[in-house]
Amino acid sequence: AQSVTQLGSHVSVSEGALVLLRCNYSSSVPPYLFWYVQYPNQGLQLLLKYTSAATLVKGINGFEAEFKKSETSFHLTKPSAHMSDAAEYFCAVWGAGSYQLTFGKGTKLSVIP
Amino acid sequence: EAQVTQNPRYLITVTGKKLTVTCSQNMNHEYMSWYRQDPGLGLRQIYYSMNVEVTDKGDVPEGYKVSRKEKRNFPLILESPSPNQTSLYFCASSFGLAGGRQETQYFGPGTRLLVL
Repeated sequence: AQSVTQLGSHVSVSEGALVLLRCNYSSSVPPYLFWYVQYPNQGLQLLLKYTSAATLVKGINGFEAEFKKSETSFHLTKPSAHMSDAAEYFCAVWGAGSYQLTFGKGTKLSVIP
Repeated sequence: EAQVTQNPRYLITVTGKKLTVTCSQNMNHEYMSWYRQDPGLGLRQIYYSMNVEVTDKGDVPEGYKVSRKEKRNFPLILESPSPNQTSLYFCASSFGLAGGRQETQYFGPGTRLLVL
């Protein structure tokens, strides 16, 4: 069985501050991990994904995430928040050999001017 | 343009009136899936399809049906909708699992359903 826990349903940061969105996963086999972003009234867009190559993954819009097997984590970061980053972010896991992508409950990011 | 399309985008219906939400992709993807999104619950998978004529239940299949007669289409059918099926629905598609690789899923724009 696989599962995803996103710590914090809402996160607020000031414009220009560090963004850190937390994701911990549970998987019985080495996972594939994804971060998706959902802007208001839109579908989901892939930010980045980890597929067992480099542990530090760079995505679009300046976001990156680091896979830490010992901590079963895949936290999303961005050095400097921009107003346009305000959205909901979803972490997802797809266990190798599984046929399902399992999502976390999401973290809504607010950016304060 | 590569895309996943859903219709309708918005739908208001009444309890018990059968409805179908269509999903179509133009990327020749083998894998297609339906999710529902509810506040505080994230996205939960309803059904998925590995290829034509191959479908399987996700985590919340009760009250839904699907079919995959063609590779590009994966309609979601609510035979007798109930108010607890009021939700935001997303269709997604990706290439298959050949070689053990998990491909990126591409999402449609969503269908907002209200069942009265």
